[in-house]
Amino acid sequence: NAGVTQTPKFQVLKTGQSMTLQCAQDMNHNSMYWYRQDPGMGLRLIYYSASEGTTDKGEVPNGYNVSRLNKREFSLRLESAAPSQTSVYFCASSADTTRTDTQYFGPGTRLTVL
Amino acid sequence: GNSVTQMEGPVTLSEEAFLTINCTYTATGYPSLFWYVQYPGEGLQLLLKATKADDKGSNKGFEATYRKETTSFHLEKGSVQVSDSAVYFCALWGRDDKIIFGKGTRLHILP
Repeated sequence: NAGVTQTPKFQVLKTGQSMTLQCAQDMNHNSMYWYRQDPGMGLRLIYYSASEGTTDKGEVPNGYNVSRLNKREFSLRLESAAPSQTSVYFCASSADTTRTDTQYFGPGTRLTVL
Repeated sequence: GNSVTQMEGPVTLSEEAFLTINCTYTATGYPSLFWYVQYPGEGLQLLLKATKADDKGSNKGFEATYRKETTSFHLEKGSVQVSDSAVYFCALWGRDDKIIFGKGTRLHILP
């Protein structure tokens, strides 16, 4: 069991470039999430997918799009990167969105936008 | 809306010292409460959780009790080790089905 995997681990972009962050889980979880982690800000939810075929905005969705490709995969796209999107991005999954569920996190993608 | 407030770090302790990291919350209804830990260069992982009032979560010598009367979920450990050095996040999962994380507390344990 690999758990939650993310690619790439590191990425440097120039302002205006686009890229897609990939996430996959092998735990047969229904729900998946994208967070960003900034110093002094904790984790902030960007988008989540409660189940295959659904996506919803989180706290900070502007500048991002997501695709729940299938039950295993949930990708995050930056269409036109900005320096304010420099951050560490974490993907997570949980069995469902019930309040007792544990979230399982990937190792993160460190993104720098110049 | 719901919110989580945890003590700011960094917290620096000597090995075998007693640890408390404070966490308080505001929420409507009865949220579930969690502590997650992040070791250097890794993603977060669940440390413990409590899903109703007066529940005590425990794991790896860490404990936290869900106290509704004081809206708190303080993390404690009786004797910390160098390997406990990490960032600790308090989190709340509320009735709106969204999880909110605190800003994190960095813990340094000195040998």
